[in-house]
Amino acid sequence: KAGVTQTPRYLIKTRGQQVTLSCSPISGHRSVSWYQQTPGQGLQFLFEYFSETQRNKGNFPGRFSGRQFSNSRSEMNVSTLELGDSALYLCASSEGLAGYNEQFFGPGTRLTVL
Amino acid sequence: AQSVTQLGSHVSVSEGALVLLRCNYSSSVPPYLFWYVQYPNQGLQLLLKYTSAATLVKGINGFEAEFKKSETSFHLTKPSAHMSDAAEYFCAVSLYYGGSQGNLIFGKGTKLSVKP
Repeated sequence: KAGVTQTPRYLIKTRGQQVTLSCSPISGHRSVSWYQQTPGQGLQFLFEYFSETQRNKGNFPGRFSGRQFSNSRSEMNVSTLELGDSALYLCASSEGLAGYNEQFFGPGTRLTVL
Repeated sequence: AQSVTQLGSHVSVSEGALVLLRCNYSSSVPPYLFWYVQYPNQGLQLLLKYTSAATLVKGINGFEAEFKKSETSFHLTKPSAHMSDAAEYFCAVSLYYGGSQGNLIFGKGTKLSVKP
């Protein structure tokens, strides 16, 4: 089976712009979670989608949003980018809910906000 | 609130030496606990997980971890370090929402260096 893929791998944006990141889970996996990784804050949970429904949400402002499609692919959107949004964004998929099942991580999208 | 503390942001060992990476958690209910490894420019890979079965959990690449409820710890060990073990290691706990498992809370990570 192919692993979790994320596109694009690298992005450079300027403040105020918006960005959409894409994640394709492992075939058959219904849960997709998103995490933000920064040197200062470490790995922080953004949200989890399961069968097209947002199951859990982390403590991030409303500028961060996501969705999941019927084929389990997921997108994450960040509007009105700020310098502090520069980070590695990781997507992870699992067969069932994320907290109990093994999550398989993609390589991440490196977002740089100038 | 649930949290995870990893003691030591950097740990350095010699090749062949014991690896010990420390993780303490706080949780109001029995947790699920995980160790992940991240190699440079890659995503995270699951090493092992504890889900209230055996307290000693064996994982991949010779790693194991022991759940100690009295100490609220889940330390990761490997008897003999290999150069390829150099990476960043993350301990994580899962939250519970109304009886069903929720998202993972990660520790800050420990970078392991292995000296020849």
